[in-house]
Amino acid sequence: DAGITQSPRHKVTETGTPVTLRCHQTENHRYMYWYRQDPGHGLRLIHYSYGVKDTDKGEVSDGYSVSRSKTEDFLLTLESATSSQTSVYFCAISESQGEPYNEQFFGPGTRLTVL
Amino acid sequence: TQLLEQSPQFLSIQEGENLTVYCNSSSVFSSLQWYRQEPGEGPVLLVTVVTGGEVKKLKRLTFQFGDARKDSSLHITAAQPGDTGLYLCAGATSGTYKYIFGTGTRLKVLA
Repeated sequence: DAGITQSPRHKVTETGTPVTLRCHQTENHRYMYWYRQDPGHGLRLIHYSYGVKDTDKGEVSDGYSVSRSKTEDFLLTLESATSSQTSVYFCAISESQGEPYNEQFFGPGTRLTVL
Repeated sequence: TQLLEQSPQFLSIQEGENLTVYCNSSSVFSSLQWYRQEPGEGPVLLVTVVTGGEVKKLKRLTFQFGDARKDSSLHITAAQPGDTGLYLCAGATSGTYKYIFGTGTRLKVLA
């Protein structure tokens, strides 16, 4: 299994508070992704990174920011959490961006509840 | 916005039955992947198809990419309880770095 960990695994917070989720990899993969998973929507890309300090937005990036200061860590921050951000968040890593070899390895997920 | 629709959304069958899951879009994809996800875990890649009309087999699972590369199907022969899970398709457009995921099919195989 790819070495990907996410922390925390579960979190309950209140509306308006900042929240940071951490993704840590031991594979030295270049690409890292943050997705959210909601019933009826599958997985939706929030942000991704193609190198240290290089990030870009996905399809549902509003209300989220990311940072990558080291190859192994990719942080997702909710500046002011809202109830609509209650979801399960998955981090993924990928070695190569080139198709068809862009297999993504997923972390175990973080379940976030915003009250 | 590209969309990938999967059908059925839910499927409950008896062990030994066959089933087919569909993944459809109005967009053309350069490649398409199928993942399986078990409760409390992240998705795990099953297969990638890249050529229109391509068929790949993985033990009792058969994957097909449509000729026009807009759709795909996953067929499971003689389903077993271990096949239970959420099946996700994901398509990529040529020149992009990201996959669009389908809405998912939740399969339950009863012993």
